[in-house]
Amino acid sequence: GAVVSQHPSWVICKSGTSVKIECRSLDFQATTMFWYRQFPKQSLMLMATSNEGSKATYEQGVEKDKFLINHASLTLSTLTVTSAHPEDSSFYICSATGSDEKLFFGSGTQLSVL
Amino acid sequence: AQSVTQLGSHVSVSEGALVLLRCNYSSSVPPYLFWYVQYPNQGLQLLLKYTTGATLVKGINGFEAEFKKSETSFHLTKPSAHMSDAAEYFCAVSVAPSNTGKLIFGQGTTLQVKP
Repeated sequence: GAVVSQHPSWVICKSGTSVKIECRSLDFQATTMFWYRQFPKQSLMLMATSNEGSKATYEQGVEKDKFLINHASLTLSTLTVTSAHPEDSSFYICSATGSDEKLFFGSGTQLSVL
Repeated sequence: AQSVTQLGSHVSVSEGALVLLRCNYSSSVPPYLFWYVQYPNQGLQLLLKYTTGATLVKGINGFEAEFKKSETSFHLTKPSAHMSDAAEYFCAVSVAPSNTGKLIFGQGTTLQVKP
């Protein structure tokens, strides 16, 4: 069964609103979580790395004020897309790793901004 | 810096035929290499990975890949394709020795399996 749960799997929002995506590790403590973005028919691009209890590390070109990442516990990380615009429409995927360094991916969230 | 190139964005095979998905990497340090499969609107599932040791790696669903340092390649193969193998496949590289999960992905290859 899935060990990383990502919600929602699909969300539509109006331009200018904010959307929160949750990524939970179900049966292990995720010391590190990663957030990726995937455009249609393209590869996954790493957006940021988050370690529990500390600020996320963003990849070059990713706006930290737009993509807010919180990793307040060892089982939950959230990605908030603030003031979403149509160009933010994408498939967002989280992954998580724990002490054994095994990596598990969430099932992804399809965001559509109207 | 690391990078991954997948040759062929789309591969089509007949059911029962050999599957060969190509991946070449660039890395200034010994790489950790991965193959993932993605079904529509789903996350990624690990097929196999190479870290150290034996260069021929066997994964799930009958897939295997061979690490060839001299060719900087990590091609994915399966002797006989099944209809259920139709999906998107991603090759990825991570910096050794830490499998931190910070992966660099190739562009992906769509595998089509024809009956």
